[in-house]
Amino acid sequence: DAKTTQPPSMDCAEGRAANLPCNHSTISGNEYVYWYRQIHSQGPQYIIHGLKNNETNEMASLIITEDRKSSTLILPHATLRDTAVYYCIVRVALTAGKSTFGDGTTLTVKP
Amino acid sequence: GAVVSQHPSRVICKSGTSVKIECRSLDFQATTMFWYRQFPKQSLMLMATSNEGSKATYEQGVEKDKFLINHASLTLSTLTVTSAHPEDSSFYICSALAGAYEQYFGPGTRLTVT
Repeated sequence: DAKTTQPPSMDCAEGRAANLPCNHSTISGNEYVYWYRQIHSQGPQYIIHGLKNNETNEMASLIITEDRKSSTLILPHATLRDTAVYYCIVRVALTAGKSTFGDGTTLTVKP
Repeated sequence: GAVVSQHPSRVICKSGTSVKIECRSLDFQATTMFWYRQFPKQSLMLMATSNEGSKATYEQGVEKDKFLINHASLTLSTLTVTSAHPEDSSFYICSALAGAYEQYFGPGTRLTVT
């Protein structure tokens, strides 16, 4: 699986949009971009995934650049409960696929 | 989304004893499950891939005789830490594949070996 690079930490004001970047310059054509988050002492929570088109769900939006070498996770209106470690992962979408976690970005939402 | 449970959520055991952790997919069948370990302030480290009805595949550096994995049904995988030692104290997390695209994680099990 391709490696990803994320900033170690970010701050965001409550109610504002949080934009979390991820670089995955060695991504392969059959690899998807996945985002998870982990709140302290809990298991990771799935947020969103995409291949090349932008995606949106009730939690977030995922913007993938045209060359697919980077992406941005957008939390449109961050709340204090969004404070967590956010992991960007790229992997093939096969039943035998597995997620290799990097260090992620620690997002702190401040009042 | 799909739900994955783990039991127990916390366990304290004495050095030299064995501990079993269960991982269940509650509303879907999972042919493949994964076991991760996470030390404080570190990221998740994949330990092994568990396939229903076959032997688990372990990552490099993970002792298969120490971390026994059994995936006896499409909804249950177990991890047994044998002859546990204090350095095995960690947060153990399982995950399950729901189809081809989505991987759901359990809430984790905090193991403390005294």
